[in-house]
Amino acid sequence: EIVLTQSPATLSLSPGERATLSCRASQSVSYSLAWYQQRPGQAPRLLIYDASDRATGIPARFRGSGSGTDFTLTISSLESEDFAVYYCQQRTDWPRVSFGGGTKVEIK
Amino acid sequence: QVHLVESGGGVVQPGRSLRLSCEASGFTFSRYAMDWVRQAPGKGLEWVAMIYYDGSNKYHAESVKGRFTVSRDNSQNTLFLQMNSLRAEDTAVYYCVRDSGGSNSPKFDYWGQGALVTVSP
Repeated sequence: EIVLTQSPATLSLSPGERATLSCRASQSVSYSLAWYQQRPGQAPRLLIYDASDRATGIPARFRGSGSGTDFTLTISSLESEDFAVYYCQQRTDWPRVSFGGGTKVEIK
Repeated sequence: QVHLVESGGGVVQPGRSLRLSCEASGFTFSRYAMDWVRQAPGKGLEWVAMIYYDGSNKYHAESVKGRFTVSRDNSQNTLFLQMNSLRAEDTAVYYCVRDSGGSNSPKFDYWGQGALVTVSP
C-alpha cells in the first residue's frame, strides 16, 4: 500500500506570500497525483490532477509539479480564500485511491 | 451545472443500518464512475467505495468491505451507499463524488455537500 506523507502539517503565512506544500509517496506513483482544497465547512475541491494539470476554473496561481515520489503544490501569492486545508491523492491501485494527511495553510 | 446532493444521513445505533442516496444533475450520470469518500470529525479524507458508470463493477475499502455496498440507478440519476452493521468508527461526513479519472489517474472533479452519519448508542 502506497502511503502519502504531506508536509508541513501546518503552514503559517501572510496574504501575498508564496506557499509551498509537499507530498511524498512511499513508492513511485508516476504522475498519478491530484491536489484538493478544503475550506472550513465545505467539501473538497479539485485543484490539480495528473500532477500538474489545473482543474476547470482554478486560478493560475496554483501550480502542481513533480513525479515519481515527490510532488509540490505551489500557491504563488496567497489570497484570503486560499487559507484552507490541502490534500494530495494517488491512484495506482485502480480503482482504490488514498489521500495524504493534509496540510493546513493558516494566516500568520 | 453539476450538482450532487446527498441525503439519508442521521444518528443511528451501533449494529444498525442506514442508506445514503446521492441525486446527480447537470451531467450525463450514466457515463461516469462514482465514488463515496468519508471524513471523520476533524480528520482527513478516506475513500470508501467506487462503482463503474454502468454498475458492472463495484469496489470497497477494506474497512467497510462486507458491511457497505455501493449501487446506482442510472434511470433515476442516483447513487446509493447501503451501510450495515455500523460501528462508532463509521461516524463521518460522507461525500458523493464524480470520478472523472481513468486508470492511474485520480480526478474527483465534483463533490456533494456531504451527509453526516453519527453512530452512537
